Amino acid sequence: EAGVVQSPRYKIIEKKQPVAFWCNPISGHNTLYWYRQNLGQGPELLIRYENEEAVDDSQLPKDRFSAERLKGVDSTLKIQPAELGDSAVYLCASSRRGGANTEAFFGQGTRLTVV
Amino acid sequence: AQSVTQLGSHVSVSEGALVLLRCNYSSSVPPYLFWYVQYPNQGLQLLLKYTTGATLVKGINGFEAEFKKSETSFHLTKPSAHMSDAAEYFCAVRVGDKIIFGKGTRLHILP
Repeated sequence: EAGVVQSPRYKIIEKKQPVAFWCNPISGHNTLYWYRQNLGQGPELLIRYENEEAVDDSQLPKDRFSAERLKGVDSTLKIQPAELGDSAVYLCASSRRGGANTEAFFGQGTRLTVV
Repeated sequence: AQSVTQLGSHVSVSEGALVLLRCNYSSSVPPYLFWYVQYPNQGLQLLLKYTTGATLVKGINGFEAEFKKSETSFHLTKPSAHMSDAAEYFCAVRVGDKIIFGKGTRLHILP
């Protein structure tokens, strides 16, 4: 089966500009995650979706970050305006809902550089 | 609250030597535990997972991990390191639908 697809792979923008990332999860996976990974750190959850509903967005900086998952499939994560500290790798993952065997499958990530 | 602690942000071993990457977790409920590997400029790939049953779990590329409830540990081992094992390794705990990662351990393989 096809894996989690993210685009773009790399993005360089100037601070205060907007940016958007796109994620297509594995077919049939109800749960979708967006993680941010800073250099030398582990992934940190930004938001989790169950189908089209955001069930955990407690770590999403809502003043500048937004996300959507229309129709419960593809998802976009947006930053507006971007700040220098937003430079990181943004990872999308998906999993089947619930159950012990439901590990998350990750995309290759989008590396964002804000200059 | 659930958390994961990985001891050692960098570990160096000689090619052919034993690999041991340490992971301790805290969880108020029985955890599901995972090890992921990340190669440069790549996403995370699942190495192995513990859910229930046998506490010694075998994964891909010759890695295995043992769940020790009394020690709240889930250390990753491989008997003989290979140059291709050089990567970043992340331990993670899943409670419900929430997956929490450790900060990672970068494994260096010395020739």
